Amino acid sequence: SQELEQSPQSLIVQEGKNLTINCTSSKTLYGLYWYKQKYGEGLIFLMMLQKGGEEKSHEKITAKLDEKKQQSSLHITASQPSHAGIYLCGAPDTGTASKLTFGTGTRLQVTL
Amino acid sequence: DTGVSQDPRHKITKRGQNVTFRCDPISEHNRLYWYRQTLGQGPEFLTYFQNEAQLEKSRLLSDRFSAERPKGSFSTLEIQRTEQGDSAMYLCATSAREETGELFFGEGSRLTVL
Repeated sequence: SQELEQSPQSLIVQEGKNLTINCTSSKTLYGLYWYKQKYGEGLIFLMMLQKGGEEKSHEKITAKLDEKKQQSSLHITASQPSHAGIYLCGAPDTGTASKLTFGTGTRLQVTL
Repeated sequence: DTGVSQDPRHKITKRGQNVTFRCDPISEHNRLYWYRQTLGQGPEFLTYFQNEAQLEKSRLLSDRFSAERPKGSFSTLEIQRTEQGDSAMYLCATSAREETGELFFGEGSRLTVL
């Protein structure tokens, strides 16, 4: 089965600083999804990447999928307190996105 | 608010009791998923419905767990004879079209088994 490893496990950054979270797969990815979770709540969809080399941006968050489709990164520019939470990468086991396997998450804290 | 609602949000029960969680999906979404999340871990897939048909179940779903989705609308997840290891957040998610991969998650039902 697919395994996703996220790094770092946790991150504390000062407001205004940039940061990067990585997600590495043991297998070639059919697709890669990034979600954000506030503590004790459900997940909010951020972005989906499907093609090798693909890059997507939304506001100050940019996600990339490498050419080999085994690693993705999530980059936040000029972090804000609203960015705090747990970032999770998820990937389908097959070509259909009927279910996702998630990484263990990266907990981000943004200090003032 | 994603439009997916779960009830109850919190449940504390004694070991051996039965508990039931309910998920009300976004009305036009025909796919519904249940996940379980323990502290410090990512969500783990439990089961998946397309309309009223339960199409896939994880090996994590022991015989004590049963899920239903009558009429393809709301879904229930029942745990019989709860054990302390069942303590977790149970998350429901729905999607409209499989190929988008975008799941809409509810806020979860947190179960504590004493």
